[in-house]
Amino acid sequence: KNEVEQSPQNLTAQEGEFITINCSYSVGISALHWLQQHPGGGIVSLFMLSSGKKKHGRLIATINIQEKHSSLHITASHPRDSAVYICAVHTGNQFYFGTGTSLTVIP
Amino acid sequence: DAGVIQSPRHEVTEMGQEVTLRCKPISGHNSLFWYRQTMMRGLELLIYFNNNVPIDDSGMPEDRFSAKMPNASFSTLKIQPSEPRDSAVYFCASSFQTADNSPLHFGNGTRLTVT
Repeated sequence: KNEVEQSPQNLTAQEGEFITINCSYSVGISALHWLQQHPGGGIVSLFMLSSGKKKHGRLIATINIQEKHSSLHITASHPRDSAVYICAVHTGNQFYFGTGTSLTVIP
Repeated sequence: DAGVIQSPRHEVTEMGQEVTLRCKPISGHNSLFWYRQTMMRGLELLIYFNNNVPIDDSGMPEDRFSAKMPNASFSTLKIQPSEPRDSAVYFCASSFQTADNSPLHFGNGTRLTVT
């Protein structure tokens, strides 16, 4: 049983395309995190959400608490966006992780 | 700020040996997390500390694993004895935990190989 489900698992896009990655969870949460892991292995926290929507540059993250669903959008995608994107939820004393979405943006 | 600092970056050891991984969180952060990442299981939370006190260690796989945080600026994760199935990348992360939570800051990880 996975507390966090991400889709798609793999995604290939052309440069400039609008990208959406989805995350659904089954537990009550205090916050949801979107993480980015580059091929070199380092992990960067992109967003932390507990409600609504956040925007940072070309990245937008939304969360619907009632539906237990979050989306990460990338506008005008670029090859440097190629990475694994991981959704993680914090229940207050536990973290649960999605298996990640591997994104490849082709020039 | 130098960010979360982990050492060593790579560790190769033989089965049965003791392994110690180290983490220095960002100054001022009061929460510290140890994660493990493998191809099979993805990212898993092993243990986390708040104000140097272990809050939840339910993710620690077995008694061979132990973690300490003797002060606010240092934590260790120890595996004794190590086994090949412990091979993984171990990440440390820190945050300033408030009622509203706060973003996680990850170290670069320690890649452990147990032969």
